[in-house]
Amino acid sequence: GAVVSQHPSRVICKSGTSVKIECRSLDFQATTMFWYRQFPKKSLMLMATSNEGSKATYEQGVEKDKFLINHASLTLSTLTVTSAHPEDSSFYICSAAEPGASGYTFGSGTRLTVV
Amino acid sequence: AQSVTQLGSHVSVSEGALVLLRCNYSSSVPPYLFWYVQYPNQGLQLLLKYTTGATLVKGINVFEAEFKKSETSFHLTKPSAHMSDAAEYFCAVSETGANNLFFGTGTRLTVIP
Repeated sequence: GAVVSQHPSRVICKSGTSVKIECRSLDFQATTMFWYRQFPKKSLMLMATSNEGSKATYEQGVEKDKFLINHASLTLSTLTVTSAHPEDSSFYICSAAEPGASGYTFGSGTRLTVV
Repeated sequence: AQSVTQLGSHVSVSEGALVLLRCNYSSSVPPYLFWYVQYPNQGLQLLLKYTTGATLVKGINVFEAEFKKSETSFHLTKPSAHMSDAAEYFCAVSETGANNLFFGTGTRLTVIP
């Protein structure tokens, strides 16, 4: 079945630095990938839709300049948290839909801790 | 617009007992419906999905769910709980042909030995 790889699984960074999270579709091409954020004991909140070769579509309330999304190829989308602050600490999960499929495959998530 | 309501943020069952996790949805168009399971610090794993056709959907680990249009429900069941079923379960909906999912707030399942 479809596999989505997300890296790193955990990252700790200092306030003010930037962190890049990668999401790769390993055995299929994904023109669209999705980035979610999950707060403790909360559901997943869709942050943005990543479109290959074009700008990402951000959900209301998500800062575009803070959460930079790049989808440069059909198998890779990246989320960069810029100038990270402790309140950005969270679990970030990506997903992708295999063309022609009616489901979504999720990455294993990235636990970001900003100290 | 779509939305998902999961009744009960926390459900506890005894090992071997029936598992019932409730999900109600709203959608202006025929929905695709999903159940995902999440173990601590991991991503989401698809349990089962409904798109079209048979309304009783069977998934992995003996889970199943029934799409009931009249009740706008998609409850998840398993006849006999196992300790390994303890996890967070999310119901999700997407519009037919659309690309993004809307999630419920999740239900944490605890299995008591």
